[in-house]
Amino acid sequence: QVQLVQSGAEVKKPGASVKVSCKASGYTFTSYGISWVRQAPGQGLEWMGWISNYNGNTNYAQELQGRVTMTTDTSTSTAYMELRSLRSDDTAVYYCARGPYCSGGTCYSQWFDPWGQGTLVTVSS
Amino acid sequence: AIQLTQSPSSLSASVGDRVTITCRASQGISSNLAWYQQKPGKAPKLLIYDASSLQSGVPSRFSGSGSGTDVTLTISSLQPEDFATYYCQQFNSYPITFGQGTRLEIK
Repeated sequence: QVQLVQSGAEVKKPGASVKVSCKASGYTFTSYGISWVRQAPGQGLEWMGWISNYNGNTNYAQELQGRVTMTTDTSTSTAYMELRSLRSDDTAVYYCARGPYCSGGTCYSQWFDPWGQGTLVTVSS
Repeated sequence: AIQLTQSPSSLSASVGDRVTITCRASQGISSNLAWYQQKPGKAPKLLIYDASSLQSGVPSRFSGSGSGTDVTLTISSLQPEDFATYYCQQFNSYPITFGQGTRLEIK
């Protein structure tokens, strides 16, 4: 079955960086991008961006530009999200999700399915 | 960015009730909208895509309708496992955005 498994919880100090991994299985990895969505405690869902696993193209949310980098390793079907210069308001559960669909180098924005189990990142001094 | 406003923000209902949640977009999004269900401590689960297509494995009591700026999610007969928070998401244009969520509680 299609599955995304994320790395474990992290505790970081303000100003540090965190890198979360997302290992995919059960489908052709390069046929879909991986999107990242975060959810602050008690809050809603915030889209962070996506990466094409076909060619590495990325599309980041404007407010995270310069602090976020998404990468992919097709040899292990694993996507990564690194967030730098962490602040207390970056404390959240970070989810990866399959999507968008990519074909012939073009990715088509769409829904997200399935999602990883989530990774709690806590930023605290 | 396209803003999505869900109504109501919270809702109390009983098992067997029919409930409707509306998602209003600040500009037209055609049918480029999905609905998710999220239970506490769990990842969101896709229910509906393309505004009205039922995701495989999702019970048929869930349905979606609408396009343009107003889209609805309907649960025809609430079951105990349906009490959760529901989110809409538009993928018509970037940045992808979500509604603020509708919390469905047991009356």
